[in-house]
Amino acid sequence: DAGVIQSPRHEVTEMGQEVTLRCKPISGHDYLFWYRQTMMRGLELLIYFNNNVPIDDSGMPEDRFSAKMPNASFSTLKIQPSEPRDSAVYFCASSMGGKGQPQHFGDGTRLSIL
Amino acid sequence: QQQVKQSPQSLIVQKGGISIINCAYENTAFDYFPWYQQFPGKGPALLIAIRPDVSEKKEGRFTISFNKSAKQFSLHIMDSQPGDSATYFCAASSMDSSYKLIFGSGTRLLVRP
Repeated sequence: DAGVIQSPRHEVTEMGQEVTLRCKPISGHDYLFWYRQTMMRGLELLIYFNNNVPIDDSGMPEDRFSAKMPNASFSTLKIQPSEPRDSAVYFCASSMGGKGQPQHFGDGTRLSIL
Repeated sequence: QQQVKQSPQSLIVQKGGISIINCAYENTAFDYFPWYQQFPGKGPALLIAIRPDVSEKKEGRFTISFNKSAKQFSLHIMDSQPGDSATYFCAASSMDSSYKLIFGSGTRLLVRP
Protein backbone atom coordinates (compact mmCIF):
# COMPACT_ATOMS: atom_id res chain seq x y z
CA ASP A 1 0.00 0.00 0.00
CA ALA A 2 1.24 3.49 -0.79
CA GLY A 3 2.07 5.57 2.22
CA VAL A 4 1.85 9.31 2.60
CA ILE A 5 3.51 10.91 -0.41
CA GLN A 6 5.18 14.28 -0.18
CA SER A 7 6.73 16.39 -2.88
CA PRO A 8 9.21 17.73 -3.51
CA ARG A 9 11.67 15.81 -1.30
CA HIS A 10 14.09 18.71 -1.37
CA GLU A 11 13.54 22.37 -2.13
CA VAL A 12 16.16 25.08 -2.24
CA THR A 13 15.02 28.59 -2.99
CA GLU A 14 15.92 32.17 -2.31
CA MET A 15 14.47 34.31 0.38
CA GLY A 16 11.28 36.06 -0.69
CA GLN A 17 10.16 33.33 -3.07
CA GLU A 18 6.90 31.46 -2.72
CA VAL A 19 7.24 27.83 -1.67
CA THR A 20 4.54 25.19 -2.08
CA LEU A 21 4.81 21.81 -0.41
CA ARG A 22 2.47 19.01 -1.45
CA CYS A 23 1.02 16.00 0.28
CA LYS A 24 -1.07 13.02 -0.75
CA PRO A 25 -2.46 11.23 2.32
CA ILE A 26 -3.18 7.53 2.55
CA SER A 27 -6.43 6.72 0.81
CA GLY A 28 -9.32 6.51 3.24
CA HIS A 29 -7.64 8.54 5.96
CA ASP A 30 -9.76 11.42 7.18
CA TYR A 31 -7.20 13.35 9.21
CA LEU A 32 -4.20 15.17 7.76
CA PHE A 33 -1.45 16.87 9.72
CA TRP A 34 1.39 19.20 8.78
CA TYR A 35 4.48 19.23 11.02
CA ARG A 36 7.76 21.10 10.98
CA GLN A 37 10.99 19.61 12.34
CA THR A 38 14.02 21.68 13.32
CA MET A 39 16.96 21.05 15.60
CA MET A 40 15.97 23.93 17.84
CA ARG A 41 12.24 23.29 18.20
CA GLY A 42 11.90 19.59 17.39
CA LEU A 43 8.65 18.34 15.86
CA GLU A 44 5.87 20.91 15.91
CA LEU A 45 2.32 20.51 14.68
CA LEU A 46 1.45 23.37 12.36
CA ILE A 47 -2.13 22.56 11.34
CA TYR A 48 -4.47 19.63 10.97
CA PHE A 49 -7.54 18.88 8.88
CA ASN A 50 -10.50 16.58 9.38
CA ASN A 51 -12.49 15.67 6.28
CA ASN A 52 -10.68 18.45 4.39
CA VAL A 53 -11.66 21.12 6.94
CA PRO A 54 -8.94 22.89 8.97
CA ILE A 55 -9.55 22.15 12.63
CA ASP A 56 -6.58 23.64 14.47
CA ASP A 57 -4.10 26.04 12.90
CA SER A 58 -2.73 27.41 16.15
CA GLY A 59 0.73 26.08 15.30
CA MET A 60 1.05 28.04 12.07
CA PRO A 61 3.89 30.44 12.84
CA GLU A 62 2.60 33.51 11.04
CA ASP A 63 0.48 34.79 8.19
CA ARG A 64 3.16 33.90 5.66
CA PHE A 65 2.10 30.27 6.12
CA SER A 66 -1.12 28.90 4.68
CA ALA A 67 -2.47 25.40 4.16
CA LYS A 68 -5.29 24.05 2.06
CA MET A 69 -6.94 20.73 1.48
CA PRO A 70 -9.13 21.02 -1.61
CA ASN A 71 -10.03 17.32 -1.58
CA ALA A 72 -9.44 14.14 0.38
CA SER A 73 -6.35 13.18 -1.56
CA PHE A 74 -4.36 16.39 -1.69
CA SER A 75 -3.07 19.13 0.59
CA THR A 76 -0.64 22.00 0.21
CA LEU A 77 1.40 24.06 2.61
CA LYS A 78 2.44 27.39 1.20
CA ILE A 79 4.98 29.90 2.47
CA GLN A 80 4.91 33.34 0.93
CA PRO A 81 7.27 35.14 1.20
CA SER A 82 9.81 32.61 2.44
CA GLU A 83 12.56 33.52 4.93
CA PRO A 84 15.79 31.72 5.93
CA ARG A 85 14.30 30.87 9.33
CA ASP A 86 11.68 28.77 7.54
CA SER A 87 14.40 26.26 6.64
CA ALA A 88 13.34 22.93 8.14
CA VAL A 89 11.99 19.52 7.28
CA TYR A 90 8.24 19.62 6.76
CA PHE A 91 6.25 16.45 7.31
CA CYS A 92 2.75 15.54 6.34
CA ALA A 93 0.96 12.78 8.22
CA SER A 94 -2.46 11.17 7.96
CA SER A 95 -4.61 8.97 10.15
CA MET A 96 -7.91 7.19 9.98
CA GLY A 97 -10.45 8.58 12.46
CA GLY A 98 -10.64 7.88 16.16
CA LYS A 99 -8.53 9.42 18.82
CA GLY A 100 -5.29 7.61 19.42
CA GLN A 101 -5.09 6.15 15.95
CA PRO A 102 -1.54 6.10 14.59
CA GLN A 103 -0.41 8.98 12.47
CA HIS A 104 1.41 7.82 9.35
CA PHE A 105 4.15 10.20 8.27
CA GLY A 106 5.54 10.90 4.83
CA ASP A 107 9.28 11.14 4.29
CA GLY A 108 9.21 14.91 4.45
CA THR A 109 10.33 17.86 2.38
CA ARG A 110 13.71 19.31 3.30
CA LEU A 111 13.37 23.04 2.69
CA SER A 112 16.35 25.38 2.50
CA ILE A 113 15.79 29.10 2.13
CA LEU A 114 18.94 30.95 1.11
CA GLN B 1 2.47 22.45 31.08
CA GLN B 2 2.15 21.24 27.52
CA GLN B 3 5.75 20.05 27.37
CA VAL B 4 7.02 16.52 27.26
CA LYS B 5 10.59 16.30 28.53
CA GLN B 6 12.71 13.51 27.08
CA SER B 7 16.09 12.17 28.16
CA PRO B 8 18.79 11.36 27.36
CA GLN B 9 19.52 13.38 24.26
CA SER B 10 21.75 10.61 22.94
CA LEU B 11 22.50 7.05 23.95
CA ILE B 12 25.13 4.52 22.97
CA VAL B 13 24.48 0.87 23.74
CA GLN B 14 26.32 -2.31 22.87
CA LYS B 15 24.56 -4.93 20.79
CA GLY B 16 22.47 -7.13 23.04
CA GLY B 17 22.17 -4.49 25.74
CA ILE B 18 19.08 -2.69 27.04
CA SER B 19 18.28 0.81 25.80
CA ILE B 20 16.18 2.98 28.11
CA ILE B 21 14.67 6.32 27.17
CA ASN B 22 12.65 8.37 29.62
CA CYS B 23 9.92 10.96 29.28
CA ALA B 24 8.11 13.14 31.79
CA TYR B 25 5.05 15.31 31.49
CA GLU B 26 3.07 17.79 33.58
CA ASN B 27 -0.36 17.87 31.99
CA THR B 28 -2.51 15.34 33.86
CA ALA B 29 -5.03 15.49 31.03
CA PHE B 30 -2.66 13.58 28.76
CA ASP B 31 -4.15 10.17 28.08
CA TYR B 32 -2.32 8.76 25.10
CA PHE B 33 1.44 8.18 24.96
CA PRO B 34 2.98 6.92 21.72
CA TRP B 35 6.61 6.35 20.85
CA TYR B 36 7.86 7.06 17.34
CA GLN B 37 11.03 5.82 15.65
CA GLN B 38 12.73 7.89 12.97
CA PHE B 39 15.53 6.83 10.63
CA PRO B 40 17.62 9.42 8.76
CA GLY B 41 15.78 10.81 5.75
CA LYS B 42 12.51 9.24 6.80
CA GLY B 43 9.43 10.36 8.65
CA PRO B 44 8.68 9.18 12.17
CA ALA B 45 6.89 5.83 12.40
CA LEU B 46 4.73 4.68 15.29
CA LEU B 47 6.52 2.05 17.34
CA ILE B 48 4.28 1.41 20.32
CA ALA B 49 1.72 3.34 22.36
CA ILE B 50 0.15 3.15 25.81
CA ARG B 51 -2.81 4.59 27.67
CA PRO B 52 -2.70 5.43 31.40
CA ASP B 53 -4.99 2.58 32.42
CA VAL B 54 -2.09 0.12 32.14
CA SER B 55 1.38 0.29 33.66
CA GLU B 56 3.21 -1.65 30.99
CA LYS B 57 2.85 -2.67 27.37
CA LYS B 58 5.17 -4.99 25.52
CA GLU B 59 5.54 -5.61 21.80
CA GLY B 60 8.41 -7.87 20.90
CA ARG B 61 11.64 -6.34 22.19
CA PHE B 62 9.97 -2.99 22.90
CA THR B 63 8.28 -2.22 26.23
CA ILE B 64 6.65 0.95 27.52
CA SER B 65 6.56 1.39 31.29
CA PHE B 66 4.11 3.97 32.60
CA ASN B 67 4.05 5.57 36.05
CA LYS B 68 0.93 7.69 36.35
CA SER B 69 1.66 9.07 39.82
CA ALA B 70 5.13 10.21 38.79
CA LYS B 71 3.88 11.38 35.40
CA GLN B 72 6.66 9.50 33.68
CA PHE B 73 6.90 6.88 30.99
CA SER B 74 9.81 5.11 29.42
CA LEU B 75 10.76 2.97 26.46
CA HIS B 76 12.89 -0.12 26.98
CA ILE B 77 14.51 -1.85 24.04
CA MET B 78 15.68 -5.30 25.02
CA ASP B 79 18.47 -7.10 23.17
CA SER B 80 19.27 -3.90 21.26
CA GLN B 81 20.42 -4.41 17.68
CA PRO B 82 22.40 -2.18 15.30
CA GLY B 83 19.23 -1.91 13.21
CA ASP B 84 17.57 -0.16 16.17
CA SER B 85 19.94 2.79 15.70
CA ALA B 86 17.56 5.68 15.08
CA THR B 87 16.04 8.70 16.79
CA TYR B 88 13.20 7.95 19.18
CA PHE B 89 10.49 10.41 20.12
CA CYS B 90 7.98 10.12 22.91
CA ALA B 91 4.73 12.02 22.55
CA ALA B 92 1.52 12.71 24.38
CA SER B 93 -1.95 13.96 23.68
CA SER B 94 -5.02 14.71 25.74
CA MET B 95 -8.70 14.18 25.16
CA ASP B 96 -9.42 17.90 25.14
CA SER B 97 -6.78 18.62 22.49
CA SER B 98 -7.97 15.79 20.34
CA TYR B 99 -5.30 14.77 17.88
CA LYS B 100 -2.62 17.28 18.80
CA LEU B 101 0.48 15.28 19.62
CA ILE B 102 3.12 16.99 21.77
CA PHE B 103 6.51 15.48 20.97
CA GLY B 104 9.56 15.14 23.18
CA SER B 105 12.87 16.46 21.90
CA GLY B 106 14.11 13.06 20.72
CA THR B 107 16.84 10.60 21.68
CA ARG B 108 19.46 9.56 19.18
CA LEU B 109 20.26 5.89 19.82
CA LEU B 110 23.38 4.22 18.48
CA VAL B 111 23.75 0.48 18.97
CA ARG B 112 27.33 -0.65 18.46
CA PRO B 113 27.90 -4.09 16.90
